[in-house]
Amino acid sequence: KNEVEQSPQNLTAQEGEFITINCSYSVGISALHWLQQHPGGGIVSLFMLSSGKKKHGRLIATINIQEKHSSLHITASHPRDSAVYICAVSGYGGSQGNLIFGKGTKLSVKP
Amino acid sequence: EAGVAQSPRYKIIEKRQSVAFWCNPISGHATLYWYQQILGQGPKLLIQFQNNGVVDDSQLPKDRFSAERLKGVDSTLKIQPAKLEDSAVYLCASSPRGALSGNTIYFGEGSWLTVV
Repeated sequence: KNEVEQSPQNLTAQEGEFITINCSYSVGISALHWLQQHPGGGIVSLFMLSSGKKKHGRLIATINIQEKHSSLHITASHPRDSAVYICAVSGYGGSQGNLIFGKGTKLSVKP
Repeated sequence: EAGVAQSPRYKIIEKRQSVAFWCNPISGHATLYWYQQILGQGPKLLIQFQNNGVVDDSQLPKDRFSAERLKGVDSTLKIQPAKLEDSAVYLCASSPRGALSGNTIYFGEGSWLTVV
């Protein structure tokens, strides 16, 4: 079993829909990261969370430390949101860069 | 603010050849990471530098991979000799100190390697 699990693996939505991507983890963490990767492009960091909720534009990220679960929400989705969304956690101990990555959720938003 | 710069963006080589990738992190970032991302998988940390010292290289295949950050700024990742299974995107990232709370990691656009 992977230490970081994301669901769904693939998601197709119509423009304007509200989207939720889930991430569950099984290790103790110091922070959780939501990342966005476009085809052919590098990775962009969207959020880093250690508790609570963060909002940036149409993106909202929440984390529940007790339940070891985080969600990424996209409101009023748009085709330009189409990308792979990756959840990664930085655990306690070891190197700080040794992020444990989920396998990603491929989002496709249709016009 | 300039982001993490990587070159080359794309490289195709034959197996057993060598290749080198270069990374220039964000100015002032002490921590630099190299990740390997195989198609369909999440990135895997190869090596982490703090300034010019190695913090973690436990997942670096040292028989063929090497990396250096001599002056604590830019870094080079080398593969020699390359194998087919090295085909991947090599991502460089940097952060002010480390991936702890309050230290976002910034990724470059990646160097795509195809070994044929």
